[in-house]
Amino acid sequence: DAGVIQSPRHEVTEMGQEVTLRCKPISGHDYLFWYRQTMMRGLELLIYFNNNVPIDDSGMPEDRFSAKMPNASFSTLKIQPSEPRDSAVYFCASSLAPAEQYFGPGTRLTVT
Amino acid sequence: SQQGEEDPQALSIQEGENATMNCSYKTSINNLQWYRQNSGRGLVHLILIRSNEREKHSGRLRVTLDTSKKSSSLLITASRAADTASYFCATDGGGGFKTIFGAGTRLFVKA
Repeated sequence: DAGVIQSPRHEVTEMGQEVTLRCKPISGHDYLFWYRQTMMRGLELLIYFNNNVPIDDSGMPEDRFSAKMPNASFSTLKIQPSEPRDSAVYFCASSLAPAEQYFGPGTRLTVT
Repeated sequence: SQQGEEDPQALSIQEGENATMNCSYKTSINNLQWYRQNSGRGLVHLILIRSNEREKHSGRLRVTLDTSKKSSSLLITASRAADTASYFCATDGGGGFKTIFGAGTRLFVKA
């Protein structure tokens, strides 16, 4: 199994641009999580899905952030417009149950 | 605020020594997990302990849980340079599936 796949691995963009992060969960996993990690705030849960349905998006910082899961094998996290304070490493994780999550390698986002 | 708070924030030991990291949390839980993160990588699940368990082992790892004190500890025995990483505890907050991570302990094992 290839594990959780995220793309791109690195993204550098200018303030105001739209950013789309992508995630392919492990086949058969029915939970998908998006996290953001920064030195200041640590690892924060942004949103999670169960069977492609968003369950809890209370961690999404602002309306500029949106996430979708159109099918069981694909999810996106979009930031529009992006701001320098969005710079962070964004992780996607999937699991069969809420525990024992399998993390992807992350996308390092830099907004200048 | 974070549910889990690890202690110490950083730990430096010699190879072969044991490393102990602690985690405290605030609300009731159903389970508590420990994860490892190597620099620049995603987190890797190490072990899960349920609220009705007091101790659990996995290889060189030993996890304890004291629900009366709302605390857990992770012991790595006979540490190796490859154990150098950040270690996080994560809780479920007692309900739902929202996993909350602590700030982590950075462990450095000197060869």
